[in-house]
Amino acid sequence: AQSVAQPEDQVNVAEGNPLTVKCTYSVSGNPYLFWYVQYPNRGLQFLLKYITGDNLVKGSYGFEAEFNKSQTSFHLKKPSALVSDSALYFCAVRDWSTGGFKTIFGAGTRLFVKA
Amino acid sequence: NAGVTQTPKFRVLKTGQSMTLLCAQDMNHEYMYWYRQDPGMGLRLIHYSVGEGTTAKGEVPDGYNVSRLKKQNFLLGLESAAPSQTSVYFCASSYSDSNSPLHFGNGTRLTVT
Repeated sequence: AQSVAQPEDQVNVAEGNPLTVKCTYSVSGNPYLFWYVQYPNRGLQFLLKYITGDNLVKGSYGFEAEFNKSQTSFHLKKPSALVSDSALYFCAVRDWSTGGFKTIFGAGTRLFVKA
Repeated sequence: NAGVTQTPKFRVLKTGQSMTLLCAQDMNHEYMYWYRQDPGMGLRLIHYSVGEGTTAKGEVPDGYNVSRLKKQNFLLGLESAAPSQTSVYFCASSYSDSNSPLHFGNGTRLTVT
């Protein structure tokens, strides 16, 4: 079965420190992986994706993610956190078991950046 | 460019009432989706459509119906609302290639009393 796990409900970091939001996945076939961010009272916004190629993917707002096939992980990272990065982050994967039409989301990780 | 627009933004229903949530996208996307978001459960797929005139069931379809009569619109209906359907509903759309990200509306907050 295709699945995505985000092991941390909340991540707390100080402004200026590096941040990591963890994601692990289980898929059959090639993993098409995505990160989305959700600000209060808004829909999800796309941050970045891994389809193929370099394991380090760069995205919007200075975020990047590292794909690790052996560990089946796709952790979101940022070298220096901002208070404005505080939001809910979702990892997601394309569901190949049903032809790739659907996207499966993790439960989300709330990032809190303290000034 | 409006992207994905959902109406209404908020709604309160009594148990047994019916309503329709409207989603419209102006990006000429083939695929459209309805998700519900509940605390600690992420997003769960209700129904989806891979083209005009087609619909399919997602992970939690019971109690909901959908229609996609026009490519740009995707309607979600609740025939007889139940308190368990209290949630935030999101519509999303994407191009038909599987590496395309989803574009989301801002959600409809529904409370069923």
